Amino acid sequence: EDKVVQSPLSLVVHEGDTVTLNCSYEVTNFRSLLWYKQEKKAPTFLFMLTSSGIEKKSGRLSSILDKKELFSILNITATQTGDSAIYLCAVEASGAGSYQLTFGKGTKLSVIP
Amino acid sequence: EAGVAQSPRYKIIEKRQSVAFWCNPISGHATLYWYQQILGQGPKLLIQFQNNGVVDDSQLPKDRFSAERLKGVDSTLKIQPAKLEDSAVYLCASSFVQGPNEKLFFGSGTQLSVL
Repeated sequence: EDKVVQSPLSLVVHEGDTVTLNCSYEVTNFRSLLWYKQEKKAPTFLFMLTSSGIEKKSGRLSSILDKKELFSILNITATQTGDSAIYLCAVEASGAGSYQLTFGKGTKLSVIP
Repeated sequence: EAGVAQSPRYKIIEKRQSVAFWCNPISGHATLYWYQQILGQGPKLLIQFQNNGVVDDSQLPKDRFSAERLKGVDSTLKIQPAKLEDSAVYLCASSFVQGPNEKLFFGSGTQLSVL
């Protein structure tokens, strides 16, 4: 069974801090790893990673994938209160003619002023 | 570009009642997904459609859940009869085609409370 484990499950930081969120996985037929930000209910797409060692960056957020060690990290620098959300890691795997996303439980990030 | 539309936003029912959720994906997106997200958990796939055909429904509790996408556009998910453990957010998502490496766009979800 495919498995995605995120850590920590929750995190409280002060504005301006830098945070690192972790995602490890065990899947067969790995295709890609995705990060989503979930505020209220709708997850919104952040990054898709398919190749090891190539950093994806968007403003203060960045992410990297290690396919040998089966993990990814999401970094947020100079955190702001608007970064408060649940960050979901999902791994896409192929099998039986379809492609499936398996999600981790998420990391709940709270940024306090 | 309009996003994935879902209704209703909230629903409260008693156990053993029936409930239905509606989803309209992004225009032109062939693949539609229904996910169940229980509080404190990540979303879990219930069913995946490619146009109006089912690609994967292996995790759908078929004794009580059903879903259809008759014209290959909008979709409905039904629960009959509901149980307490069905309390969750039901998320609909769509993508342009079925994988790989196709990112999903999610709707705002329907929060179901079963009393």
